[in-house]
Amino acid sequence: NAGVTQTPKFRVLKTGQSMTLLCAQDMNHEYMYWYRQDPGMGLRLIHYSVGEGTTAKGEVPDGYNVSRLKKQNFLLGLESAAPSQTSVYFCASSGMEATGELFFGEGSRLTVL
Amino acid sequence: DAKTTQPPSMDCAEGRAANLPCNHSTISGNEYVYWYRQIHSQGPQYIIHGLKNNETNEMASLIITEDRKSSTLILPHATLRDTAVYYCIVRVGIYNFNKFYFGSGTKLNVKP
Repeated sequence: NAGVTQTPKFRVLKTGQSMTLLCAQDMNHEYMYWYRQDPGMGLRLIHYSVGEGTTAKGEVPDGYNVSRLKKQNFLLGLESAAPSQTSVYFCASSGMEATGELFFGEGSRLTVL
Repeated sequence: DAKTTQPPSMDCAEGRAANLPCNHSTISGNEYVYWYRQIHSQGPQYIIHGLKNNETNEMASLIITEDRKSSTLILPHATLRDTAVYYCIVRVGIYNFNKFYFGSGTKLNVKP
């Protein structure tokens, strides 16, 4: 059981470059989320999705775009990377079961030079 | 969503109970209390959740005060592997979609 898989695990970008982080879940979950975590801080919600074809903004959406074309995948895009976007990015998913538990991926460490 | 307040760090001796407090004084009647933990730089891991009653599972116990303005996560016999950042979160409903907002959490240091 893979659970939530994020690719890539590590990436270094130059300012202004673009990239996409891919999140895939094999648990048939409806809800998916992207968080970022800066050193010594908690997780902050970037964007989320309540189902295939839907996306919504979280706490810190500026500079990011997302897409949920397939239920199992949630993509996070950076169109023009900035050093302030250096962070660890976590994807999570949750179903509609009673616990509403979030399942997290292992994280993607992004450095923007 | 109601906000939570946690101490930034706590120490606990190995084998002793770790009691992690959380204040959520603005919690409303339909908001649940969730606890997650994050070990090193891994993705956070679910521990336990509750609404009004105290809850226990194989990992921990959750004690919620009668007025629901605060709660305590109890790890009955802390081990070195329990060293982590623990997050207390309040969330509306279980069946309704809602966002999980993580604060800064409490860094628990379990010492030999």
